Amino acid sequence: IAGITQAPTSQILAAGRRMTLRCTQDMRHNAMYWYRQDLGLGLRLIHYSNTAGTTGKGEVPDGYSVSRANTDDFPLTLASAVPSQTSVYFCASSDRLAGGDTGELFFGEGSRLTVL
Amino acid sequence: GQNIDQPTEMTATEGAIVQINCTYQTSGFNGLFWYQQHAGEAPTFLSYNVLDGLEEKGRFSSFLSRSKGYSYLLLKELQMKDSASYLCATLDSNYQLIWGAGTKLIIKP
Repeated sequence: IAGITQAPTSQILAAGRRMTLRCTQDMRHNAMYWYRQDLGLGLRLIHYSNTAGTTGKGEVPDGYSVSRANTDDFPLTLASAVPSQTSVYFCASSDRLAGGDTGELFFGEGSRLTVL
Repeated sequence: GQNIDQPTEMTATEGAIVQINCTYQTSGFNGLFWYQQHAGEAPTFLSYNVLDGLEEKGRFSSFLSRSKGYSYLLLKELQMKDSASYLCATLDSNYQLIWGAGTKLIIKP
């Protein structure tokens, strides 16, 4: 049982480069999310998707874009990476909107990104 | 504004009991979650409370008081593997999750 798969698990890239973090789930969950996690801060929502074909902005969307062409895939793109985007990125999914009604979030293992 | 407060770090002894508190101020409330996150790993779901009271699940229990904007996670018979960060999160009126910064729990033998 794979659950949620993220790739790459770790990446170092130069500032200004374009980068796409991949996320795939096999649970047929309708909702998917991208979070970043930084030391001393809570998980912060970047973008979300309630269902295939729709996306929405979270708390910290600037510099990031997403797409949801189908139920399973939810890639996150950094168009031109900056050092402040150095973080651990988690993709998550749930069977309900924003984890409501005990629709718990299932997380991928994370992608550690360093922008130099 | 929306805010969740929980202690940054706590230390406890193996076999003992520890209570991790979480206070919240959010626009609307549709439930509170606790997640466990081991270092370098993804968060995993522990509990969900939407009504006042105590929910018990094995060695872990979670309590909620909506009138006080307060929750706690109670861990009994602590084991070394319980060393982790514990994340409190609430669902606001828009069904958006608001996360606390997490409490790092250190278990000593």
